Amino acid sequence: GENVEQHPSTLSVQEGDSAVIKCTYSDSASNYFPWYKQELGKRPQLIIDIRSNVGEKKDQRIAVTLNKTAKHFSLHITETQPEDSAVYFCAASEAEYGNKLVFGAGTILRVKS
Amino acid sequence: NAGVTQTPKFQVLKTGQSMTLQCAQDMNHNSMYWYRQDPGMGLRLIYYSASEGTTDKGEVPNGYNVSRLNKREFSLRLESAAPSQTSVYFCASSLRGLAGVEQYFGPGTRLTVT
Repeated sequence: GENVEQHPSTLSVQEGDSAVIKCTYSDSASNYFPWYKQELGKRPQLIIDIRSNVGEKKDQRIAVTLNKTAKHFSLHITETQPEDSAVYFCAASEAEYGNKLVFGAGTILRVKS
Repeated sequence: NAGVTQTPKFQVLKTGQSMTLQCAQDMNHNSMYWYRQDPGMGLRLIYYSASEGTTDKGEVPNGYNVSRLNKREFSLRLESAAPSQTSVYFCASSLRGLAGVEQYFGPGTRLTVT
C-alpha cells in the first residue's frame, strides 16, 4: 500500500518569511495529493490539492508542486502570518480506491511575530 | 447545514468498557471514514465506507467495528476498550469520485481509556 513521509516535523519561521514542507510517496499510481491544515483543537481542513496531471497549483499565498518522477510534492507558503501557525498534513490517494487517503505524520508550523 | 457532526466530544472509559462513537453528515455524501489521530503519527484510517451498505478495513482496524446505518450515519464501536485506544477520533465524509475528492472532517472525539 501507499506510504507517505513528511518533513520537517516542526518548522519555525519569522513572520513574512516563506515556509516549505515536503512529502514523498511510494506508490507511483497515486494521482491525488491534498494538503490539510489543522489549527489547535480544531478539525483538519483542506487548503489546496493537486492532481497528477498538473505540476503546480497556486492559491494566493500558498502553492503546491508535484514531481511525479521523483514521487514527491511540496507545500509553499509565502509571506507567512501568525494565523498560518498550525499543523499541516500532506496526503496521497490509494491507487486501488482513489477516495482513500494516506496521510503524512504532520508538520507543526510556528510563525513568530 | 451542519456538515459532519460527532458525538460525544469527550469520553473517559475504563479498560474493558465498550462504547459507540456516532457520526452523521448532511451533505449527501456517499463515502464516510473513521480516523484516529495520535501525536507524531498523523491521521490513520481505521475503517471506511465507500457507499451505503459497504464497509472496509483501513490501516488500523483491530479492536474496532463499524456500522453504516444509512447514507447519513456511520458509527464506530469499541467492544473492549484498551489504553492503546486513547486518541482523538475523527469522522469524515466525501463524495465518491474516481480521482480523489475533498474529505470533510467532523470536530473530533477525544477518548481517554484508563
